[in-house]
Amino acid sequence: GESVGLHLPTLSVQEGDNSIINCAYSNSASDYFIWYKQESGKGPQFIIDIRSNMDKRQGQRVTVLLNKTVKHLSLQIAATQPGDSAVYFCAESPGNTPLVFGKGTRLSVIA
Amino acid sequence: DAGITQSPRHKVTETGTPVTLRCHQTENHRYMYWYRQDPGHGLRLIHYSYGVKDTDKGEVSDGYSVSRSKTEDFLLTLESATSSQTSVYFCAISGGQGQETQYFGPGTRLLVL
Repeated sequence: GESVGLHLPTLSVQEGDNSIINCAYSNSASDYFIWYKQESGKGPQFIIDIRSNMDKRQGQRVTVLLNKTVKHLSLQIAATQPGDSAVYFCAESPGNTPLVFGKGTRLSVIA
Repeated sequence: DAGITQSPRHKVTETGTPVTLRCHQTENHRYMYWYRQDPGHGLRLIHYSYGVKDTDKGEVSDGYSVSRSKTEDFLLTLESATSSQTSVYFCAISGGQGQETQYFGPGTRLLVL
């Protein structure tokens, strides 16, 4: 199985509930942020992104909130499903340099 | 899914042997990246390329080299594999840097004995 999640914080939610996953980013110059989902044994998959001129962006069942004042990013998943179980991590883009990735949070959905 | 493939998907090798991992893309993206992923460290950048024959080091480049002779292919070479290089390696691509999403390949699981 996938060993990348051994040391990650875990969020457990009941199926059907909403999930909120948080991320603190490090660079106040970052102007672009991405959330990725990684299922066991697979590569990271793009979920949603947000630019620094926005506070909120919605996708299908997902919402990303950006608070630049406290350098905080959150991912909200509505009506969480078993298929949402995965590791989620944020990435920040501090200008014209490679993305910087957070370590991630494991989401476990209880059926 | 972005058109990114990695080969091999799994490899077991012995300490001191050379290893080459291949990343192939069909998206004609300018940027390509190699990361390793280990428990407790998340994704760490090894090397990246911003064009054919144009590469730069990431935060964990020691012991690794890369080459990009064609837009679609980016090779990662471990000249003399060590046990500390046991990891899962991911390739990623993007159209640019700065407000550009990176798309990842499926990964290569490498075990160095």
